[in-house]
Amino acid sequence: NAGVMQNPRHLVRRRGQEARLRCSPMKGHSHVYWYRQLPEEGLKFMVYLQKENIIDESGMPKERFSAEFPKEGPSILRIQQVVRGDSAAYFCASSPPSGGNTEAFFGQGTRLTVV
Amino acid sequence: QKEVEQNSGPLSVPEGAIASLNCTYSDRGSQSFFWYRQYSGKSPELIMSIYSNGDKEDGRFTAQLNKASQYVSLLIRDSQPSDSATYLCAVKTNAGKSTFGDGTTLTVKP
Repeated sequence: NAGVMQNPRHLVRRRGQEARLRCSPMKGHSHVYWYRQLPEEGLKFMVYLQKENIIDESGMPKERFSAEFPKEGPSILRIQQVVRGDSAAYFCASSPPSGGNTEAFFGQGTRLTVV
Repeated sequence: QKEVEQNSGPLSVPEGAIASLNCTYSDRGSQSFFWYRQYSGKSPELIMSIYSNGDKEDGRFTAQLNKASQYVSLLIRDSQPSDSATYLCAVKTNAGKSTFGDGTTLTVKP
């Protein structure tokens, strides 16, 4: 039973380019969460999605960031026109569709470096 | 006020001692509480979950929850150098959103 799969593990982008981060949840999980972790800081919630729905995007920056979780395929976190401040580790977590009382498991993360 | 606050670290304990990690939360509607361990450069790993008031023990780890005081803690008995990591408290509402504290870095000295 594969865990949460994120790719790529490392991503280097020049300022102004787009970054696409992918997350495939664990089998049977339909809830996906994205978190950002800046160097030496804690995990910051970005967005919570279920299949084809954004449930809570209160942690997403208003511009340049978007997320989706289509009916088929992985969840995608997209960052347009990246800036140096976007350099961070982006973690995806998934949980089963049984409501709030369930654990979330994390992927290995994508380390984004903007040069 | 932060939604989830953890005691400021770093915390240093000698090998074999008890490490105590604390967490308070502001949303009374929170239903699920988790402790994750994160080694440097790695992703968070779930180590304990607790849903009802009281204690929950798993090996050397004990989670304690007091919903009236909006407080959750993690005790690590017989601390080992391999326990040295950052410990993250996570609080989840029924709506499904998990909020994390900033973490407490624990160092266990041989």
